Amino acid sequence: DVKVTQSSRYLVKRTGEKVFLECVQDMDHENMFWYRQDPGLGLRLIYFSYDVKMKEKGDIPEGYSVSREKKERFSLILESASTNQTSMYLCASTQGGTPSTDTQYFGPGTRLTVL
Amino acid sequence: AQSVTQLDSQVPVFEEAPVELRCNYSSSVSVYLFWYVQYPNQGLQLLLKYLSGSTLVKGINGFEAEFNKSQTSFHLRKPSVHISDTAEYFCAVTRSGGYNKLIFGAGTRLAVHP
Repeated sequence: DVKVTQSSRYLVKRTGEKVFLECVQDMDHENMFWYRQDPGLGLRLIYFSYDVKMKEKGDIPEGYSVSREKKERFSLILESASTNQTSMYLCASTQGGTPSTDTQYFGPGTRLTVL
Repeated sequence: AQSVTQLDSQVPVFEEAPVELRCNYSSSVSVYLFWYVQYPNQGLQLLLKYLSGSTLVKGINGFEAEFNKSQTSFHLRKPSVHISDTAEYFCAVTRSGGYNKLIFGAGTRLAVHP
């Protein structure tokens, strides 16, 4: 079974802090994604990566950056956390090949609260 | 651009009753369609997907969905629900071919009552 793990289930940070969310997948997947999930809005794509050191902006990249130094690890960085970044953050991965048809495998999520 | 509308934000239903969760999409090109489920305190997992071929798609846990191109719909159905089906369900669409991101609907919360 594919396993996608996220470093924290719950995180509380203060406004202005730098926040790191870590995601690791164990199935040698090519593609990795970061989403945020908000009630009534579903999931919105923040960034994705289709290879080591490669990244592409999603729909809502403002205020976020990412890092992928190793194939299995994809980090989301909030440079200066703000209260409007309080949300559930979900990481996902897909095998590669034909990304549009691939099943996305999700981690359990990190619920981030910024005070 | 593609978009997805899930017509019901919440669906309450009694155990063993049938259920339909509605999903409509908008796209000017061919699409692939997905249903994902999120159980409480968990990430999402794939229920089923339509890529091509038969318009009736069967998924896990007894769920099925029917692709209707003329009505641009992809409704999810189950003939008899269980308490364990209580979860949030997300419909998603992507353009067919190449690399295209997944667009998710807002979600439908299914609450199954005894």
